[in-house]
Amino acid sequence: TQLLEQSPQFLSIQEGENLTVYCNSSSVFSSLQWYRQEPGEGPVLLVTVVTGGEVKKLKRLTFQFGDARKDSSLHITAAQPGDTGLYLCAGISGNTGKLIFGQGTTLQVKP
Amino acid sequence: DTGVSQDPRHKITKRGQNVTFRCDPISEHNRLYWYRQTLGQGPEFLTYFQNEAQLEKSRLLSDRFSAERPKGSFSTLEIQRTEQGDSAMYLCASSFVQGSPSRGYTFGSGTRLTVV
Repeated sequence: TQLLEQSPQFLSIQEGENLTVYCNSSSVFSSLQWYRQEPGEGPVLLVTVVTGGEVKKLKRLTFQFGDARKDSSLHITAAQPGDTGLYLCAGISGNTGKLIFGQGTTLQVKP
Repeated sequence: DTGVSQDPRHKITKRGQNVTFRCDPISEHNRLYWYRQTLGQGPEFLTYFQNEAQLEKSRLLSDRFSAERPKGSFSTLEIQRTEQGDSAMYLCASSFVQGSPSRGYTFGSGTRLTVV
């Protein structure tokens, strides 16, 4: 069974601070995605990483895929209140394309 | 195209009643997925369709659950004899796959089910 473990589960920080969210698995995934979800809404895709060691940047967000394609991280620089939400990592499983999600990281950024 | 639409957005039902949810995917997407999400957790896969064929069902999908995608367009998810443990957000997602699995998923806003 493929599982993804996210840490931390909760994070409350002040505006302007940096943070990192981790996503780890014992399984190899062909690709991994990061989503952001706001209360009462569906997840919105932020990025897909495919190649081991790949780094992608999206404004203040930096995503990294581990060399062995078993882990990933999301780093946010100078967090803002608008970054508040549930961050989810998800691995794409085999040819079905179904997503295996981590438990999520709830981020609160206080002004 | 307005994205993936789900209806209703909220449903409150009494235990033992049947409920049906609808998902309208992005029109050119051939794959449609159903997920269930409880508060503060990540979504869990339930089932998926490629066109009108249901190709996989999770063990989470008991015999009280049934999903259809007639003509490969919209999909419905029915829960019979609802239980309080069915209370969750039911999410639909669609993607286009040609050959390799697509990485471009679009989720709907979900249907929040509360069983009282």
